[in-house]
Amino acid sequence: SYELTQPPSVSVSPGQTASITCSGDKLGDKYACWYQQKPGQSPVLIIYQNNKRPSGIPERFSGSNSGNTATLTISETQAMDEADYYCQAWDSNTWVFGGGTKLTVL
Amino acid sequence: QVQLQESGPGLVKPSETLSLTCTVSGYSISSGFYWGWIRQPPGKGLEWIGSIYHSGSTYYNPSLKSRVTISVDTSKNQFSLKLSSVAAADMAVYYCARPQGLGMQFDYWGQGTLVTVSS
Repeated sequence: SYELTQPPSVSVSPGQTASITCSGDKLGDKYACWYQQKPGQSPVLIIYQNNKRPSGIPERFSGSNSGNTATLTISETQAMDEADYYCQAWDSNTWVFGGGTKLTVL
Repeated sequence: QVQLQESGPGLVKPSETLSLTCTVSGYSISSGFYWGWIRQPPGKGLEWIGSIYHSGSTYYNPSLKSRVTISVDTSKNQFSLKLSSVAAADMAVYYCARPQGLGMQFDYWGQGTLVTVSS
């Protein structure tokens, strides 16, 4: 079965750029998306189709996808961006989530 | 605005069947789209359980396929999840959500409901 791998944790200083990776076999041939989840809340879609932002998502969130890796980039990271981030892809009528990355802003 | 709301028992005994319903408002299920269930054990990541197309075609996570049934009731604008033979490992927050678009991303989510497995 298809698998997506994320680093368990990433740390970033306020105002700096955070990058979270998501790896999967030929992931670049599929569409990747990203969710942000804060404690006690449902996940929120922040990037879809590799690099598109839903309405209301700040421009500091961006995405890319090539080869075997999709990357979520958060520019000028703010304290409010501290959360868990999940990548997801769809392959042959199967939805797959990455294991999640805890972003710490310190 | 599409809204989804999960409902069902918050406590299920081991070996019994977990049953949850997702009520959709703001959109008619019969008009189209897929609809899905995702779960999240306490402190862990998201796991896709399965999805159903508005016509009734179903797609399940291979690791859960033998125990999962997802159905749709267009007259009530609801879709449902049944998970049989539950065990402690099935304790989780269960979300219903709508996948759509080229990447089948989940753009609308319910608030989630915690299901505890205990005798």
